[in-house]
Amino acid sequence: QKEVEQNSGPLSVPEGAIASLNCTYSDRGSQSFFWYRQYSGKSPELIMFIYSNGDKEDGRFTAQLNKASQYVSLLIRDSQPSDSATYLCAVRSAGNMLTFGGGTRLMVKP
Amino acid sequence: GAVVSQHPSWVICKSGTSVKIECRSLDFQATTMFWYRQFPKQSLMLMATSNEGSKATYEQGVEKDKFLINHASLTLSTLTVTSAHPEDSSFYICSARPRDSGTEAFFGQGTRLTVV
Repeated sequence: QKEVEQNSGPLSVPEGAIASLNCTYSDRGSQSFFWYRQYSGKSPELIMFIYSNGDKEDGRFTAQLNKASQYVSLLIRDSQPSDSATYLCAVRSAGNMLTFGGGTRLMVKP
Repeated sequence: GAVVSQHPSWVICKSGTSVKIECRSLDFQATTMFWYRQFPKQSLMLMATSNEGSKATYEQGVEKDKFLINHASLTLSTLTVTSAHPEDSSFYICSARPRDSGTEAFFGQGTRLTVV
């Protein structure tokens, strides 16, 4: 069983819609959770991080964390074609290592 | 924001030669740097964790004698791929964690290594 799991996609949404990206993790001791965006051939860039249960909003992005369900999600409101990328979920365990999910490819169609 | 510079951004080398990749934190001190490898259409895989002034910690299955990591200062870590082979061709990415930072590390722009 993978430690961090994401649906590989592609997830296709129309421009202006809400894109919902999901991630589950296996280590209950995980302490912090990150969402990265990676364009093809480029390095990942941090979008958001979340430590506590609930929602955290930053502009068009909302991260949601449910530690009881071991589930973290990223919502992108008013999706734009420029949001088309692979979104990587990463989880930091108590041992301080970052484990990445396989990524979800998002396609926003004009 | 914090900037991590990785150099070179791409390199082509002959099989059997060695390649050095540099990772620098430009505007912060990084006590810890991480080296990842990413094959096409796959996620990042942690290769090793580098702490300033001490030996790197390698992940299982990563040959420490092949992937030499040096973290000589709080702003520089290097990864040397020794005796490179075509199967080492990959995208290598470093990240650096600022000292006393509760957030995640920042990534360099990556190095595309092609071994021919």
